[in-house]
Amino acid sequence: SYVLTQPPSVSVAPGQTARITCGGNKIRSKNVHWYQQKPGQAPVLVVYNDSDRPSAIPERFSGSNSGDTATLTISRVEAGDEADYFCQVWDSTTDHLWLFGGGTKLTVL
Amino acid sequence: EVQLVESGGGLVQPGGSLRLSCVASGFSFSNYAMNWVRQAPGKGLEWISHISTSSSTIYYADSVKGRFTISRDNAKNSLTLQVNSLRADDTGVYYCAREGPRAEYFQDWGQGTLVTVSS
Repeated sequence: SYVLTQPPSVSVAPGQTARITCGGNKIRSKNVHWYQQKPGQAPVLVVYNDSDRPSAIPERFSGSNSGDTATLTISRVEAGDEADYFCQVWDSTTDHLWLFGGGTKLTVL
Repeated sequence: EVQLVESGGGLVQPGGSLRLSCVASGFSFSNYAMNWVRQAPGKGLEWISHISTSSSTIYYADSVKGRFTISRDNAKNSLTLQVNSLRADDTGVYYCAREGPRAEYFQDWGQGTLVTVSS
């Protein structure tokens, strides 16, 4: 079955660039989607189809997908970006058709 | 503005049942497939069920298959998850989520309803 692997945590100083990875076998062949979840809140879609952004999401959020790794990049990180981030793909070979990574806690130092 | 409002969660004993509801507004509900996604305390997200626009296609994760039943009423803009034979590991927040146009992702989420299974 397909597995998505994320680092448990990433730390970055304000104003710097955060990169959160999502690993999967030949993930480049899939569309990767990213969600932000702040404590006590529902997830919010921040990137879909590898690199598209919903209209309400700042341009500071971007995505890429190559080889076995997809990446969510947050430029000019702000304190308000501190949250859990989850990658997700659709995969017909797994029990969980809509499959999530384990999540990455982004800490803004 | 898209709104998804869940209700029906609560404290239930192992083996018990609940009926979770999600009422949608701000979009044409009948045009979108819907899902339930849950999150155990302090854990990640787990997709558990999908229903197509006309209810013709339904999927479940193995972890809930045979115990949970998803349904929808397009006339009432409502989504339901009947959860039976509850276990301790079913504890968590249950979110309803609207699929995006290409059905591979969730473009809107409700605020969630908490289900606690404990004796």
